[in-house]
Amino acid sequence: DAKTTQPNSMESNEEEPVHLPCNHSTISGTDYIHWYRQLPSQGPEYVIHGLTSNVNNRMASLAIAEDRKSSTLILHRATLRDAAVYYCILRDTNFGNEKLTFGTGTRLTIIP
Amino acid sequence: DAGITQSPRHKVTETGTPVTLRCHQTENHRYMYWYRQDPGHGLRLIHYSYGVKDTDKGEVSDGYSVSRSKTEDFLLTLESATSSQTSVYFCAIASGRGGTDTQYFGPGTRLTVL
Repeated sequence: DAKTTQPNSMESNEEEPVHLPCNHSTISGTDYIHWYRQLPSQGPEYVIHGLTSNVNNRMASLAIAEDRKSSTLILHRATLRDAAVYYCILRDTNFGNEKLTFGTGTRLTIIP
Repeated sequence: DAGITQSPRHKVTETGTPVTLRCHQTENHRYMYWYRQDPGHGLRLIHYSYGVKDTDKGEVSDGYSVSRSKTEDFLLTLESATSSQTSVYFCAIASGRGGTDTQYFGPGTRLTVL
């Protein structure tokens, strides 16, 4: 599986935007970029995914670099509930890719 | 929220005893997964199922077996628990396994093997 690199931790003030970076320099043309997050004492939850174009949903936005070697998850207005570990994961579009490969992710701390 | 429950939520057992963890879904999704989460390792896939009675191994399957006799239930069995199997176990479900498909996770089972 192609590898992703994320900072171990980040801090942000409540009610401010947060930009969580992810590098994936070995991404292939058929890899989708997925983001999941894991709140304390809970299972991971899906946040967003994209292939080439920027994506928005009710939780976040995903900005994908033109060369697709990096992406940024954007939380537009962080709340205390957004404190979690965020995982950037690559998923091939071809069948047979059964697992989600979780790295160590970025631990996001929200400062009140 | 996806309808996924795991039972038990917490269990303490002794080395050498058999343990079965249950994952139950109400979404009628075809694919089900068992992961374990340990500090410093992230989540790692143990086994997965792509249909009733159709299962396959993940990257850390040694010491574990699974069964899926109904669409809604996926059981993970530790035949003879060891201390190295102390972990948090997560079940996940998905309607597909392609690049656009998302997995939905259960709340987890914390297992301690003494």
